[in-house]
Amino acid sequence: GAGVSQSPSNKVTEKGKDVELRCDPISGHTALYWYRQSLGQGLEFLIYFQGNSAPDKSGLPSDRFSAERTGGSVSTLTIQRTQQEDSAVYLCASSLGIGPSTYEQYFGPGTRLTVT
Amino acid sequence: DQQVKQNSPSLSVQEGRISILNCDYTNSMFDYFLWYKKYPAEGPTFLISISSIKDKNEDGRFTVFLNKSAKHLSLHIVPSQPGDSAVYFCAASAQGGTSYGKLTFGQGTILTVHP
Repeated sequence: GAGVSQSPSNKVTEKGKDVELRCDPISGHTALYWYRQSLGQGLEFLIYFQGNSAPDKSGLPSDRFSAERTGGSVSTLTIQRTQQEDSAVYLCASSLGIGPSTYEQYFGPGTRLTVT
Repeated sequence: DQQVKQNSPSLSVQEGRISILNCDYTNSMFDYFLWYKKYPAEGPTFLISISSIKDKNEDGRFTVFLNKSAKHLSLHIVPSQPGDSAVYFCAASAQGGTSYGKLTFGQGTILTVHP
């Protein structure tokens, strides 16, 4: 399949542990985004990578959250010292990143994170 | 501060009738708007978009209307089909500056189309 893939699909972790969520974007897409959806809420922007530019981290809720994108492709979202309020579905998306098509973002299936 | 609002959490429509999903925004810098559709356990999929230079965009059974003065957009689905049952998210972006590419989403509306 040529779509966006995310792993794991589900993650249950204990409060205080660190977690890493992975995203493989569509090949050739230069823009990559992380969002999260908490129960009953819309999608909340977290971070945005565009090519080699510095990422837009304006949506990260705290310094426990970080993300990197290696080689302009795969991205990892890391949450340190997880809290119960971090429980959500974490969605990754990618786009061509050129002109209006950058808004037509292709989403992965998400990782459901549960912090107990 | 909810900059994009979908005030109807759910909508129920009979098959063959029109579905109208509404979205309001507060940020006057938004100039590009999109609708996404989401099935359970899947990521959202892009449906249709509209630039602020237009007031209507049509794609098959789906039409998006934009009223900039009212900061309001709507998605019309005609005729509605049971397969359209999903969560619909409205999203907005400002094309300029550092916000480029960043989407702000509404809370979503659950559409149920009854056979």
